[in-house]
Amino acid sequence: QKEVEQNSGPLSVPEGAIASLNCTYSDRVSQSFFWYRQYSGKSPELIMSIYSNGDKEDGRFTAQLNKASQYVSLLIRDSQPSDSATYLCAVLTMYSGGGADGLTFGKGTHLIIQP
Amino acid sequence: ETGVTQTPRHLVMGMTNKKSLKCEQHLGHNAMYWYKQSAKKPLELMFVYNFKEQTENNSVPSRFSPECPNSSHLFLHLHTLQPEDSALYLCASSQDRRETQYFGPGTRLLVL
Repeated sequence: QKEVEQNSGPLSVPEGAIASLNCTYSDRVSQSFFWYRQYSGKSPELIMSIYSNGDKEDGRFTAQLNKASQYVSLLIRDSQPSDSATYLCAVLTMYSGGGADGLTFGKGTHLIIQP
Repeated sequence: ETGVTQTPRHLVMGMTNKKSLKCEQHLGHNAMYWYKQSAKKPLELMFVYNFKEQTENNSVPSRFSPECPNSSHLFLHLHTLQPEDSALYLCASSQDRRETQYFGPGTRLLVL
């Protein structure tokens, strides 16, 4: 069974600092990786997607992928109180026949940015 | 959030009731999904529809019955639910099975 592991937290970070969120996955053939942000009582919203090894930057957010280590991370620079939320790591596995499995989600990391 | 809409946003039902959840996407996507999110558990994929055809059913109890009349609409019919079915039910859509999924606001369901 495919698994996605995240530290549930809470992870507390001072305002203005870098928040680092980590995720590991079990299925070596997984190819697409996503970070979603979910505020309490709301639905998940996409923050970043990453498909290749290395870093991908979008504003204050940087996603990092290391397929050899089966590890994906999200860095949030200049953390703001509005970044306080649960961050969900999601992994999509595609198969050679062209089909795709659904997204497998981790339980999420609860991030708190302290003013 | 307006790309994928869900109704109702909140639902309270008894174990003998029958109700339906509705999802509509305005993004021109071809794949639609139902997820369940319970407290302290990761999102669980329930059903997948691709071009109106059901391609995945993750061992969901038969008291949950999906329906996809066209690529823009998705329903989840509920009957004789149990209290443990209380959860946030999320609909999502994507261009195809390999692309990014976008979520609706969810239906908060309480089964008494």
